[in-house]
Amino acid sequence: KNQVEQSPQSLIILEGKNCTLQCNYTVSPFSNLRWYKQDTGRGPVSLTIMTFSENTKSNGRYTATLDADTKQSSLHITASQLSDSASYICVVSAGSYNTDKLIFGTGTRLQVFP
Amino acid sequence: EAGVAQSPRYKIIEKRQSVAFWCNPISGHATLYWYQQILGQGPKLLIQFQNNGVVDDSQLPKDRFSAERLKGVDSTLKIQPAKLEDSAVYLCASSLNRVLYNSPLHFGNGTRLTVT
Repeated sequence: KNQVEQSPQSLIILEGKNCTLQCNYTVSPFSNLRWYKQDTGRGPVSLTIMTFSENTKSNGRYTATLDADTKQSSLHITASQLSDSASYICVVSAGSYNTDKLIFGTGTRLQVFP
Repeated sequence: EAGVAQSPRYKIIEKRQSVAFWCNPISGHATLYWYQQILGQGPKLLIQFQNNGVVDDSQLPKDRFSAERLKGVDSTLKIQPAKLEDSAVYLCASSLNRVLYNSPLHFGNGTRLTVT
C-alpha cells in the first residue's frame, strides 16, 4: 500500500533555531518527492520537488534531502523565523505512463516562538 | 502570474442542503484537481481532470458529489445533499502538466465548508 509517514506530528522551537522534519515513504513506482508549506487558512505552497537522482535541494533557508535507497526524506529549516510557523506536508508522486498519483503525508505542525 | 482562484472562501450550510464551489486554475494549466482536507490531515484527492476529461474520480462519493470542468478551464464541485462529515476545506489545485513529469502543483486557498 502506498503510504507517506511524517514525524514528528508537531514541533515547537524558538526563533533562530534550526529544525529537521522527517518523511518516510513506501510508494511505488516512485516518481518524485515534494515538500509543501501550508499556512493556517491557506493552500499548500511548494517548497521543493526532488527526483530519484537528486540527494539535496535548497530553497532559501529550506533544504530537503532524499535517500531513495532507504526511502526517507528530510526538510531542514535553518535559522527559523516566526513566519515559518505552519504545517509542512511531504508528498510523493507515484507514477507510470498511464497513471500518476500524489500520496500526501499528514504533515508536521511547526510552531516558532520568539 | 495569477494564482488559483477559489470561491467562496467560507460556507455554512445545514445537512441535506446542497452547495457548490468554484475554481479558476492558472491560465494554461491542463490538469486540475479537487482535494478534501479534514482538519489535521493531508489533502485527499476527490477528482482529477486532464483538460475537460476525468482522469481519476475513484475517491469521489458519486452518490452526493459531482464535478465538472467546462471547456477545460473553470471547474465546479457540488455536494448534494451534504452530510456532517463533509465539513472540511475543499482545495483546488492545477498544474501545467502531469505530476509524473515533476510539474509543480499550485493550490488555491480553499473553501472552508461547515455542515451543521
